[in-house]
Amino acid sequence: DTGVSQDPRHKITKRGQNVTFRCDPISEHNRLYWYRQTLGQGPEFLTYFQNEAQLEKSRLLSDRFSAERPKGSFSTLEIQRTEQGDSAMYLCASSARDSRYEQYFGPGTRLTVT
Amino acid sequence: LAKTTQPISMDSYEGQEVNITCSHNNIATNDYITWYQQFPSQGPRFIIQGYKTKVTNEVASLFIPADRKSSTLSLPRVSLSDTAVYYCLVGDLTNAGNMLTFGGGTRLMVKP
Repeated sequence: DTGVSQDPRHKITKRGQNVTFRCDPISEHNRLYWYRQTLGQGPEFLTYFQNEAQLEKSRLLSDRFSAERPKGSFSTLEIQRTEQGDSAMYLCASSARDSRYEQYFGPGTRLTVT
Repeated sequence: LAKTTQPISMDSYEGQEVNITCSHNNIATNDYITWYQQFPSQGPRFIIQGYKTKVTNEVASLFIPADRKSSTLSLPRVSLSDTAVYYCLVGDLTNAGNMLTFGGGTRLMVKP
């Protein structure tokens, strides 16, 4: 089963450090999404790619956050100068072009900023 | 995007049918209703989607009345493994990106 995979699954970092997460979507899916989820809340949309183009970014995505999807395959999400408020689960999802709201989520990367 | 309201939590027992109702009074003509399930430490998983009347799959049924201002997710004969958070989402499939807007969800606890 080649579902959505994310790496690492857990990351602990000190405040002020930079971190980078990777997402590998389902291979035939051209759409890729990043969400952030804090404890007890539903996931919040961060950004969306169609192939290699980043088409939408949430206002939640501050200047310290950057996402890329080179060649329209895997994606990376980088957080610079991490803050304690960045501690959350970062979820990646992918979907096919004709998907009707059916997005396939990865297991997430849990970030803890100390 | 239409705002959704659903109970914060529900308890049930194994073997019972569970019905979770979601209110979406401001649903628009092009909006579909979608339900996701999330287990602890996992990403959400698509369960079912519908536009009107009733939809059934191998996991659940979705009932949508004619005015579409609410919907009910029905889980038949729940087991302990159905303990999870269930999210109701409403949105326009034609929106670019189709990003999902999650509310707080309903935490279902199934007891033995």
